[in-house]
Amino acid sequence: DTEVTQTPKHLVMGMTNKKSLKCEQHMGHRAMYWYKQKAKKPPELMFVYSYEKLSINESVPSRFSPECPNSSLLNLHLHALQPEDSALYLCASSPSSPVRFFGPGTRLTVL
Amino acid sequence: QKEVEQNSGPLSVPEGAIASLNCTYSDRGSQSFFWYRQYSGKSPELIMSIYSNGDKEDGRFTAQLNKASQYVSLLIRDSQPSDSATYLCAVNEVGGGSEKLVFGKGTKLTVNP
Repeated sequence: DTEVTQTPKHLVMGMTNKKSLKCEQHMGHRAMYWYKQKAKKPPELMFVYSYEKLSINESVPSRFSPECPNSSLLNLHLHALQPEDSALYLCASSPSSPVRFFGPGTRLTVL
Repeated sequence: QKEVEQNSGPLSVPEGAIASLNCTYSDRGSQSFFWYRQYSGKSPELIMSIYSNGDKEDGRFTAQLNKASQYVSLLIRDSQPSDSATYLCAVNEVGGGSEKLVFGKGTKLTVNP
């Protein structure tokens, strides 16, 4: 198994909703990442987990809350998002730097 | 934050030609350089890594690094329509006990049949 999976593929939510994005990898990678990518822009790093501990938070607003329940899973909890948060959210994993495997992404639309 | 600059393009080449993609970076201390390919609507895919000055070849792809000029490039020989994508240059930024990638804005390549 050499892939990163993400669910759901698409998500539409209102500004008062709470939702979660999920990411899973079974490659034994100890680094897992969340990136945000807006149209025609490069990916922007949000969070890095190393050995299940949060090691980088790129000053992301608290309406985004990451969670790493175990070495294979990474969640991103969403609450009270704004329309400008609409983007492609990419999960990635790697045995070491750099990021080697991106998941297919979740396309999020906030109404 | 350190900067990574790419020509935004779009770059258009005929099938069979050499496509040349360029990237400059601001941090002279950077040691690791990467090229990702991203098809429209898809996630980025790592296609080349380069760490030392000179050329590195992998199939039709050649990455070139010149640390003195702070310049990294990607050459695609015998370009195919399937190479049409956005190519992202990325540089590893090390600091504060952590590493992270800094991406350029990407160059959109179109290979015309």
